[in-house]
Amino acid sequence: NAGVTQTPKFRILKIGQSMTLQCTQDMNHNYMYWYRQDPGMGLKLIYYSVGAGITDKGEVPNGYNVSRSTTEDFPLRLELAAPSQTSVYFCASRREGQPQHFGDGTRLSIL
Amino acid sequence: AQKVTQAQTEISVVEKEDVTLDCVYETRDTTYYLFWYKQPPSGELVFLIRRNSFDEQNEISGRYSWNFQKSTSSFNFTITASQVVDSAVYFCALSEARIQGAQKLVFGQGTRLTINP
Repeated sequence: NAGVTQTPKFRILKIGQSMTLQCTQDMNHNYMYWYRQDPGMGLKLIYYSVGAGITDKGEVPNGYNVSRSTTEDFPLRLELAAPSQTSVYFCASRREGQPQHFGDGTRLSIL
Repeated sequence: AQKVTQAQTEISVVEKEDVTLDCVYETRDTTYYLFWYKQPPSGELVFLIRRNSFDEQNEISGRYSWNFQKSTSSFNFTITASQVVDSAVYFCALSEARIQGAQKLVFGQGTRLTINP
């Protein structure tokens, strides 16, 4: 039982490049979430999913896309990376009635 | 709209002192959850506690205690006899508590706590 696994842990992108941040959980949780944490700030919700095939926007969805084709995986895609997307990205999951548990984060720099 | 305010940006105390981290929230939901998470220097987020809005009993877990006061919309966190290992950023968070609701977390800006030996 590995919990919530995020890959990669670190990445540097050039402006305009695209990439996918991977998130997988092995706990059969229905709910999954992506947050970003800017320096010195709290986390803000980008997208979330209440089950396979269902996704919805959070507070800061612009510039990102997600998909949820399986219960286990919830990848976050950045199209046309911009410096404003430099942040630490956290994926979380939970089962019904339980609190969210977070992965270790992906630190992304866009130069 | 939901909002969480942690007015203390940074706190620094000497080991063994007691310290209280403040959290004030705003919500229109009648039922909601309040949370505290710890983020140590290594960067991960560690769940500490979840409190339901209809349960105002204070909670104690070892050196940690939480004071929930609905009348003042506050959910404060106290560490008794602080230790260097308590040094971290602490986040207060809020979500709605509807059954089968998404329970999207709204975070405060965090309080950086430094415990000096």
